[in-house]
Formats: sequence, C-alpha cells, structure tokens
Amino acid sequence: AQSVTQLDSQVPVFEEAPVELRCNYSSSVSVYLFWYVQYPNQGLQLLLKYLSGSTLVKGINGFEAEFNKSQTSFHLRKPSVHISDTAEYFCAVSDLQGAQKLVFGQGTRLTINP
Amino acid sequence: NAGVTQTPKFQVLKTGQSMTLQCAQDMNHEYMSWYRQDPGMGLRLIHYSVGAGITDQGEVPNGYNVSRSTTEDFPLRLLSAAPSQTSVYFCASSYNQGGGYTFGSGTRLTVV
Repeated sequence: AQSVTQLDSQVPVFEEAPVELRCNYSSSVSVYLFWYVQYPNQGLQLLLKYLSGSTLVKGINGFEAEFNKSQTSFHLRKPSVHISDTAEYFCAVSDLQGAQKLVFGQGTRLTINP
Repeated sequence: NAGVTQTPKFQVLKTGQSMTLQCAQDMNHEYMSWYRQDPGMGLRLIHYSVGAGITDQGEVPNGYNVSRSTTEDFPLRLLSAAPSQTSVYFCASSYNQGGGYTFGSGTRLTVV
C-alpha cells in the first residue's frame, strides 16, 4: 500500500516570490505521482504528473516538480507566484497496476500575500 | 463537452435517510471513482470502477454502494445516512492508467 505525506499544511508567501510545496511518499513498488490544485469551492485540477522518464516534470501555470526516487519525494515548485495561485495543492500516488486508485496527501494551503 | 457532471451540488439529509449522488461523464472514460474530502484528511477513495459492470471498494466503502451499468454513469448510493458521512463528495474519471483524473465540481452533503 502507498501513503503520501505533505510536510506543510499551510505555506504563506509573498507575490513574485518562489515557492516549494513538499511531498514525500511511501511505496514498496514503482509508482505514478501527481499534483492537483483545488481552487475555492471547485473540484481538483491536474497540475502535472510523473509516469516515467525525466525526473523533472513541467505542468500548467508555470509549476514543475522533481521526482527523487532515493528520497521518495516529489516536491512542487514555482519560481514566481501570483495572487491567482492561492489554492490548496494535493500530492497523490498510485502504483503502476492500480493506477485508478489514487492515494492523496492531506493537502497544502498556499496563500499568496501582496 | 461537459466533462464530469455531479448532481446535486448541495444536499441536507436527516440521519437514516437514503439518497443517490449522481455522476456522469461524456469523455468515454473507462475509469471512474468516488472520493470524499474531509478537512485535514485529503481525499479518500470510496469506490471505483474500471469499466461498465466492474466495481470495487476503496479505502472507506462502508455505508456506500455503487453500480456501473453504462460507461457514462457512476452513481453513489448512501444506504442510511449518518452524521459521519457529512463531507464533500467528488466523482472523477480517467481515460487510462496514469492518465490523471478529471474531477467533477463536487457535492456538499450535510447529514443532521
């Protein structure tokens, strides 16, 4: 079974500053990794995913994430955030066979201050 | 192309009542899932389906039933509502393994 830990429940940053949202996972088998964003009162939207290949994955809205197998991490980064990035961000994992069964982290609330 | 449509958006039930949360997708996706979202707990999988006629339990299936008679629809039934089922429910669909899910906008359910 897989598990996901998002190390920060809340991250406040100033507009135009860089941000990193941390995600660690646990699994005994190879995994797929995902980041989703949830804007207030909306469903989740896929930001990016790692399936295989290059460990640096680029997604929508200028976000990117790096898969680190030795540290079992998949941290999300953006070099310069905007007010519109205020949202909750979820890291998720699935094993290659049960990819329809996503296991989510607890979420990180990103707040952008002007 | 509507994506994943959930109805209703809001619902208040009394303890012991039953109801069905509707979910429909128009993307011809084989995989569909139901999640519940509770504060500080992320999303937890209730039930999922890998195609019409095929369903299985997720992490928190107790008190919920599903069926999948068509590719498009995946309703979630609450058999006898309890206050512990107060939550936001999300339906999601995916084309294939690793494709990433498309989520509906959610149903906010309150059981009193």
